[in-house]
Amino acid sequence: TQLLEQSPQFLSIQEGENLTVYCNSSSVFSSLQWYRQEPGDGPVLLVTVVTGGEVKKLKRLTFQFGDARKDSSLHITAAQPGDTGLYLCAGGRGFKTIFGAGTRLFVKA
Amino acid sequence: GAVVSQHPSWVICKSGTSVKIECRSLDFQATTMFWYRQFPKQSLMLMATSNEGSKATYEQGVEKDKFLINHASLTLSTLTVTSAHPEDSSFYICSARDRLAGAPDTQYFGPGTRLTVL
Repeated sequence: TQLLEQSPQFLSIQEGENLTVYCNSSSVFSSLQWYRQEPGDGPVLLVTVVTGGEVKKLKRLTFQFGDARKDSSLHITAAQPGDTGLYLCAGGRGFKTIFGAGTRLFVKA
Repeated sequence: GAVVSQHPSWVICKSGTSVKIECRSLDFQATTMFWYRQFPKQSLMLMATSNEGSKATYEQGVEKDKFLINHASLTLSTLTVTSAHPEDSSFYICSARDRLAGAPDTQYFGPGTRLTVL
């Protein structure tokens, strides 16, 4: 059972377009992280959100944690080819961290 | 801050040999480190959780005698793939939690080790 559902699984867009990636669960998480991974490298932490309703911005990336701390979204404005990669959400539950299956983003120049 | 290194970054070995992968937290203390395996175009698969000074906790289906984990200090964990076979070829990634961080759930990942068993 996948406790963290990410959607879409794959996204191919043109440079300059906006996109949103979703991370949903029926479970409550104490915190949620978003990572970006490029081929041949480990995931790189983008953000950690802790408070329900929290919104964090990182340049063109906007992250939101749901009020009930069960879901999160990542919005990218004016996507660039450098945004290409695998985006992973991860939720903390007690001692464990649950990972989503990932969203593979490809931004075409 | 929160940098995790892995060594080696890639390794090629013959079937039947053992390979050791090191994972170090460079600028923080990590009481807990994690080992993952990742197949092409897939997400991370947790293999085991490593706690400093105690035995590792393995996920269901992961052979503890094949994947030996040692977490001897607050900054170093090692994964040894014993008697490696071609099916063990994969991308192995470690991560560490900063026990003093404000968000202790956050894991910081190493760059990964590509293992190829011939």
